[in-house]
Amino acid sequence: GAGVSQSPRYKVAKRGQDVALRCDPISGHVSLFWYQQALGQGPEFLTYFQNEAQLDKSGLPSDRFFAERPEGSVSTLKIQRTQQEDSAVYLCASTTRTNTGELFFGEGSRLTVL
Amino acid sequence: AQSVAQPEDQVNVAEGNPLTVKCTYSVSGNPYLFWYVQYPNRGLQFLLKYITGDNLVKGSYGFEAEFNKSQTSFHLKKPSALVSDSALYFCAVRDGSTNAGKSTFGDGTTLTVKP
Repeated sequence: GAGVSQSPRYKVAKRGQDVALRCDPISGHVSLFWYQQALGQGPEFLTYFQNEAQLDKSGLPSDRFFAERPEGSVSTLKIQRTQQEDSAVYLCASTTRTNTGELFFGEGSRLTVL
Repeated sequence: AQSVAQPEDQVNVAEGNPLTVKCTYSVSGNPYLFWYVQYPNRGLQFLLKYITGDNLVKGSYGFEAEFNKSQTSFHLKKPSALVSDSALYFCAVRDGSTNAGKSTFGDGTTLTVKP
């Protein structure tokens, strides 16, 4: 597609449920990033892929968070046993291979945990 | 480690006046600096970047930013503000000395341009 596509746009989960958030990056973009944006704050880095390799997962807040990109294109961010503090907007971004490239963001998935 | 500070939560200007949104950064290696804009319920959109070369960079919608190494700043500017510029603006830094792709963002500045 023309841009980064994320689904679902909105997700309401009961505490303890598992959720999966999908990101479809711009075709040909090698690098893919996940960010978490809490209300009134800037995006916080979660994890980064180059093709199918997860090169940095230092921002994942706990072992309940897991991300994958098995074929180097679509990525899924999974949150197990959701808690209220997981409520946030989850942003996906992709970019070209070069370190100098700007990020192209999707519109985000807003997760609300009740 | 790398970090970004946007010291103003809110900036208010009148339409037609110049605007400045401030950003300072900290990074171990070479700073790669970016500005993004976010409209309500939308993803972040790229405005401009500094990688190397001329300290004054020009970007989309008439925005520009000046890289100042001694002050570790990268302030966003526009000579004449429009009401449609009202949005949330984020500054970001990446360490260009490594192959690490992570960008670190500030907490954002809300710009309001009044008619």
